Amino acid sequence: KAGVTQTPRYLIKTRGQQVTLSCSPISGHRSVSWYQQTPGQGLQFLFEYFSETQRNKGNFPGRFSGRQFSNSRSEMNVSTLELGDSALYLCASSLGLSGANVLTFGAGSRLTVL
Amino acid sequence: QKEVEQNSGPLSVPEGAIASLNCTYSDRGSQSFFWYRQYSGKSPELIMSIYSNGDKEDGRFTAQLNKASQYVSLLIRDSQPSDSATYLCAVNSGGYQKVTFGTGTKLQVIP
Repeated sequence: KAGVTQTPRYLIKTRGQQVTLSCSPISGHRSVSWYQQTPGQGLQFLFEYFSETQRNKGNFPGRFSGRQFSNSRSEMNVSTLELGDSALYLCASSLGLSGANVLTFGAGSRLTVL
Repeated sequence: QKEVEQNSGPLSVPEGAIASLNCTYSDRGSQSFFWYRQYSGKSPELIMSIYSNGDKEDGRFTAQLNKASQYVSLLIRDSQPSDSATYLCAVNSGGYQKVTFGTGTKLQVIP
């Protein structure tokens, strides 16, 4: 059974640019959650999508956005990049049914902003 | 107050000892609790989930939940050097899939 696939694995951008990250969940999983991980803040929740709808959102500025497609694949976008956006972005998939389901994480996309 | 709090460590234990990792959470309505392990340079992986008060055992791992005290713990018996990692406590505080993580406790098992 294929795991959660994130692309690209590594990327370098400059301030002011935008970036799009992609996540393909485990087959049959309809929920995709996105997290930002930095050494100082740990894992911070960005948002969660289920059946193409954003159900939950964390406390991040509007520069961070996402979407989910009908095949459950998800993308997140960060516009007008800042140095502080340098982080590991993790996507996790789950069944997404009522009650918390176990999250399975992808390998992450490491973003460096110069 | 952070939603999920953990001591950042490092927690150092000798090989074969019991490692005790603790976590407190602020939302009394939380229903689901998880422990994830994250090796350096890797993504988190689930170790245990617990949903009701009491203990839940799985091999060398025991999760303990006390909702009245808003406290979750993880015990690792017979600690091995391969257990050296950061352990993340996670709590589902939303109606569906909003899982909040603590900043993690770094565990070092000394051979």
